[in-house]
Amino acid sequence: SQTIHQWPATLVQPVGSPLSLECTVEGTSNPNLYWYRQAAGRGLQLLFYSVGIGQISSEVPQNLSASRPQDRQFILSSKKLLLSDSGFYLCAWNWEPPHEKLFFGSGTQLSVL
Amino acid sequence: EDQVTQSPEALRLQEGESSSLNCSYTVSGLRGLFWYRQDPGKGPEFLFTLYSAGEEKEKERLKATLTKKESFLHITAPKPEDSATYLCAGHSYGQNFVFGPGTRLSVLP
Repeated sequence: SQTIHQWPATLVQPVGSPLSLECTVEGTSNPNLYWYRQAAGRGLQLLFYSVGIGQISSEVPQNLSASRPQDRQFILSSKKLLLSDSGFYLCAWNWEPPHEKLFFGSGTQLSVL
Repeated sequence: EDQVTQSPEALRLQEGESSSLNCSYTVSGLRGLFWYRQDPGKGPEFLFTLYSAGEEKEKERLKATLTKKESFLHITAPKPEDSATYLCAGHSYGQNFVFGPGTRLSVLP
């Protein structure tokens, strides 16, 4: 069976510090990978998605970047965090249609102070 | 622009009091309408996918239905453990998922 691991669960960082969130998927190959951000009372906002190694699409111009160094590894980064980067970050994966339902990680609560 | 809205924003029910959550969508070329359950501080958990108007799916006390413009999540005789935020999302070919803001459900014992 497939599993998705996301860490850390919580993170408190000062403004201007770097960020690295990691996500790995086990039990499948060549998944589509996604990073979402969730703000209170709002829908999930897609930040990045990837259909393969080194292939990253950005949905929202911002202070963040993503990389996919291996087939089942997806990393969200920032060189200098802003207060507005605070939020709940979710990694997800799926297959191509017709099996396209998303599977989510447990999330990272990021607080930038 | 593709959009998904949900109502109500929050819902409080007594245990055993049945109700429905609404998801309205304007997604061009909808391929599937998805329902997820999210507990506080956790990632969303998949519940249902609906593909065509008239389709219904059930799981325990939950039943999801789909029309050409909206989807309903019916909760029959809810229990406190059904308390969670319920998200719906639309997906069309070649596009990414569009999520609604969710309905926060509280079931009181």
